[in-house]
Amino acid sequence: ELKVEQNPLFLSMQEGKNYTIYCNYSTTSDRLYWYRQDPGKSLESLFVLLSNGAVKQEGRLMASLDTKARLSTLHITAAVHDLSATYFCAVISNFGNEKLTFGTGTRLTIIP
Amino acid sequence: KAGVTQTPRYLIKTRGQQVTLSCSPISGHRSVSWYQQTPGQGLQFLFEYFSETQRNKGNFPGRFSGRQFSNSRSEMNVSTLELGDSALYLCASSLGGAATYEQYFGPGTRLTVT
Repeated sequence: ELKVEQNPLFLSMQEGKNYTIYCNYSTTSDRLYWYRQDPGKSLESLFVLLSNGAVKQEGRLMASLDTKARLSTLHITAAVHDLSATYFCAVISNFGNEKLTFGTGTRLTIIP
Repeated sequence: KAGVTQTPRYLIKTRGQQVTLSCSPISGHRSVSWYQQTPGQGLQFLFEYFSETQRNKGNFPGRFSGRQFSNSRSEMNVSTLELGDSALYLCASSLGGAATYEQYFGPGTRLTVT
């Protein structure tokens, strides 16, 4: 069974600082998503990573994928308050069901 | 292009009752997946329908069921509600299977069981 782990679970950081959220998964996958969720809201797609070495950037967020290490990172540069949210990674296994398996989520709070 | 819509947005039910939630996918999308989100278990896959057929199913009891209509709209039903069924239920639509196509999520239905 595919397991997806994120760390940290909670992250409180000051505006202007950099930090990285990690997503580890347990089986072969070539398709990984990052989502953002604001309190009480649905999931907003941030990035789709489809191959080893894929890197995508949007504003202050950059995501990368290392399929050999089964690791994805979401890097936050010069954080601003608007980035406060919960971030999820989700993985589709190369084997078995075509379903998204989500990580536990990282609740990010940016402190002014 | 209209996004994924879910109705109702909020629902309060009593233990033992049943409930039906509805999801209308993005026009042209044939796959609808359902997820349950709770603080304790996180986001968990319930099932996926494609062209009116259930293709994948998560590890949920038989009280959870669903169906898809010819217009790709989907419903999920939960019978004999339990307190633990209180959750945000999200549906997601895509052109085809999740292994190939990105899923787009609806706003969710917040179910509270008392």
